[in-house]
Amino acid sequence: GAVVSQHPSRVICKSGTSVKIECRSLDFQATTMFWYRQFPKQSLMLMATSNEGSKATYEQGVEKDKFLINHASLTLSTLTVTSAHPEDSSFYICSASGLRTSQETQYFGPGTRLLVL
Amino acid sequence: QKEVEQDPGPLSVPEGAIVSLNCTYSNSAFQYFMWYRQYSRKGPELLMYTYSSGNKEDGRFTAQVDKSSKYISLFIRDSQPSDSATYLCAMPRGGNKLTFGTGTQLKVEL
Repeated sequence: GAVVSQHPSRVICKSGTSVKIECRSLDFQATTMFWYRQFPKQSLMLMATSNEGSKATYEQGVEKDKFLINHASLTLSTLTVTSAHPEDSSFYICSASGLRTSQETQYFGPGTRLLVL
Repeated sequence: QKEVEQDPGPLSVPEGAIVSLNCTYSNSAFQYFMWYRQYSRKGPELLMYTYSSGNKEDGRFTAQVDKSSKYISLFIRDSQPSDSATYLCAMPRGGNKLTFGTGTQLKVEL
């Protein structure tokens, strides 16, 4: 139980385009989803927290107009990187917690590797 | 001072060795402690979580918490090459958010 999927697993795009990443909880209802970014050999950096039906809460220093988050249902959250630039290239990981899981426990997706040329 | 400190390694051990991975933390409000394993280019996978001082075993893995010293450990017995990964400690903070250590890279060699 507590499986989280992400799509796509890898994406390459041109500078200036927008990229949407989907995060789905497959076997539980995720009341809260989190989006992280991870650079090589570094730990996970929390970008934002989203609760189903509410606006996302962004961490300090994360541009909410650049990283659009939508959590429209209890099983789906999306992160859209708008007008992507090479410095946005990173490993984006979502996690979810909620019903049927311990509130303190997050279950992670497999990650999406974004490369902006 | 970071809230959670973890030696980044890399830590290299021979197959069959006992591995000790550690984290220290500064916030005495942390009550729950978790260990995640992350293989290269994959998302973290929850290994163990505990909320009390003492030991918790799960197969070859033992999580140890010493709240008085603000020190947690993960022991891996009979380590295998498949254990080669980065191990992250994590502690919940407000709003169900997690504070992660930087992760320790472990390599178990044949």
